[in-house]
Amino acid sequence: AQSVTQPDIHITVSEGASLELRCNYSYGATPYLFWYVQSPGQGLQLLLKYFSGDTLVQGIKGFEAEFKRSQSSFNLRKPSVHWSDAAEYFCAVGAEGYQKVTFGTGTKLQVIP
Amino acid sequence: DAGVIQSPRHEVTEMGQEVTLRCKPISGHNSLFWYRQTMMRGLELLIYFNNNVPIDDSGMPEDRFSAKMPNASFSTLKIQPSEPRDSAVYFCASNPGGGGNQPQHFGDGTRLSIL
Repeated sequence: AQSVTQPDIHITVSEGASLELRCNYSYGATPYLFWYVQSPGQGLQLLLKYFSGDTLVQGIKGFEAEFKRSQSSFNLRKPSVHWSDAAEYFCAVGAEGYQKVTFGTGTKLQVIP
Repeated sequence: DAGVIQSPRHEVTEMGQEVTLRCKPISGHNSLFWYRQTMMRGLELLIYFNNNVPIDDSGMPEDRFSAKMPNASFSTLKIQPSEPRDSAVYFCASNPGGGGNQPQHFGDGTRLSIL
């Protein structure tokens, strides 16, 4: 079975600073990887996904993530954070032929002026 | 396009009462998922359906919980009798189905408080 770990529960960054949120997965074959964002009072929204091919994937809202098989990681990055990026971010892993997706415990992002 | 629609958005009721949460998936989506989110346990998958058939209900915590999907456009999650520890945000999500590479589309959730 697949699993995913988000080591950082809470991160604070200054507006305009760069951001990297960590995600490590465990799965024997090539995983399907996702990043979602959850704003207060709302459901999860897909930011980006990786299935195969180019290991650097671009998503919405200026986010990108890089799949590194050797490190079993799929870290989310943004070059310059905006106050509106304050939210909770979830990494998730799926597998071929398997509908269930395993979500990480989430990282809460706080953005300070 | 209409997303996943959940109702009610908020529900406050007394313990022992029956609670019914409703979900309308995105039209054309063949898979539907029910999740529960709490501070302590994070996001937990309760049950999911494929083509209206329950595939995996191993996450349903107790017999007090039941879920149905009578047709492709409607699903319910019922708790009877409800208990204070059932207080959480319940999310419904859907996707086209067909494999693990399909992202899920989430509704805005039902915030349930059991007094």
